[in-house]
Amino acid sequence: EVQLVESGGGLVQPGGSLRLSCAASGFTVSGNHMSWVRQAPGKGLEWVSIIYSGGSTYNADSVKGRFTISRHISKNTIYLQANSLRPEDTAVYYCARALADSSGYHSWFDLWGQGTLVTVSS
Amino acid sequence: DIVMTQSPDSLAVPLGERATINCKSSQSILYTSNNKNYLAWYQHKPGQPPKLLIYWASTRESGVPDRFSGSGSGTDFTLTISSLQAEDVAVYYCQQYYTTPWGLTFGGGTKVEIK
Repeated sequence: EVQLVESGGGLVQPGGSLRLSCAASGFTVSGNHMSWVRQAPGKGLEWVSIIYSGGSTYNADSVKGRFTISRHISKNTIYLQANSLRPEDTAVYYCARALADSSGYHSWFDLWGQGTLVTVSS
Repeated sequence: DIVMTQSPDSLAVPLGERATINCKSSQSILYTSNNKNYLAWYQHKPGQPPKLLIYWASTRESGVPDRFSGSGSGTDFTLTISSLQAEDVAVYYCQQYYTTPWGLTFGGGTKVEIK
């Protein structure tokens, strides 16, 4: 079955760190673009980070310098290392597979995980 | 970043009636080189992950009922549910993928309910 399963969320104090995981099955993360998208309580969707099949990575300005996306090919898993967490990072974090146009970069999301909740609070 | 503005914020439609959601981008998301609009639509139900409905502004994802359709070009886009069903109650989001990779943006969402 093609699916994504996130884990690693929880309660963390401001300034703390978390590593989110997203295990893929039914396809390879190395052959696909993978992304993280979050939804703060009562808010809309916000793109966070992407790792392209070639390995290049990009982050939204709101998390640049604090969050890092990576992948473990043999585990077929992607990660989001979130450092220097702030209360405004509180959200459900979704892992998503990204499809792209012929350039390989313009991406939309065709498969989503169930999400993992990150709460940043003292 | 391109700002995506959806309207209305919410709407209530009787079962079987048409629901129309609008999405406006702050600049054109039409690539003239391939004449494609870089816009997707998602359905998000409570407790579930978002679901892709439409990409390229009007291409329906496999398995999506044909009562869902997308239209528009340039800066103005519409998602139409031709005959609202109970299972269509959800929040709907548009997303532009014109500015990439670091500028992917979503609209604020439109909540659709049964009247």
